[in-house]
Amino acid sequence: KNQVEQSPQSLIILEGKNCTLQCNYTVSPFSNLRWYKQDTGRGPVSLTIMTFSENTKSNGRYTATLDADTKQSSLHITASQLSDSASYICVVSARTGFQKLVFGTGTRLLVSP
Amino acid sequence: KAGVTQTPRYLIKTRGQQVTLSCSPISGHRSVSWYQQTPGQGLQFLFEYFSETQRNKGNFPGRFSGRQFSNSRSEMNVSTLELGDSALYLCASSATVGMNTEAFFGQGTRLTVV
Repeated sequence: KNQVEQSPQSLIILEGKNCTLQCNYTVSPFSNLRWYKQDTGRGPVSLTIMTFSENTKSNGRYTATLDADTKQSSLHITASQLSDSASYICVVSARTGFQKLVFGTGTRLLVSP
Repeated sequence: KAGVTQTPRYLIKTRGQQVTLSCSPISGHRSVSWYQQTPGQGLQFLFEYFSETQRNKGNFPGRFSGRQFSNSRSEMNVSTLELGDSALYLCASSATVGMNTEAFFGQGTRLTVV
């Protein structure tokens, strides 16, 4: 069964600190992995998208890594800001005749002043 | 370039009623997907449309339906509303249906069934 699991479920960090969010998946055949940021009551916004051959991709203070062998991904946030408080959702796309997206339930991050 | 627009933003309905939600994709995008988001379940795929044709459907009852118009705008309809249908309904648009196509989400419609 195609699944995406994220950890931790929630996280509180102090402003300025770094943090790492984890994503494990069992989606097959794998096509790509995306990280989205979703502010409360808003739609998700794409941070990164990585294909099978990509190990690392950065978007400002966000750096995503992908290990396709172990089927794990992480999202590292550097020098956190209050505006980073949001849910971060890992989404894995299965390589089928159409684009099938499998969503994780997200990690809720709270950056405290 | 305008983003994905969903209307209305908020909606309150009573059990048994029906509701229609609207999604206008980014100009030039031909693929529209719909998702239901609840606190316990996360994002659940409803259906995907491309060029007015439904290409994929999630595991939702037949009370959930949708359609896409020739201008790529899409609507989803939920009939005989149940309390459990209360959720944030998100629409995402993509230029195509290719494997690595970026999906852009709208702000969502918050549906509350009372």
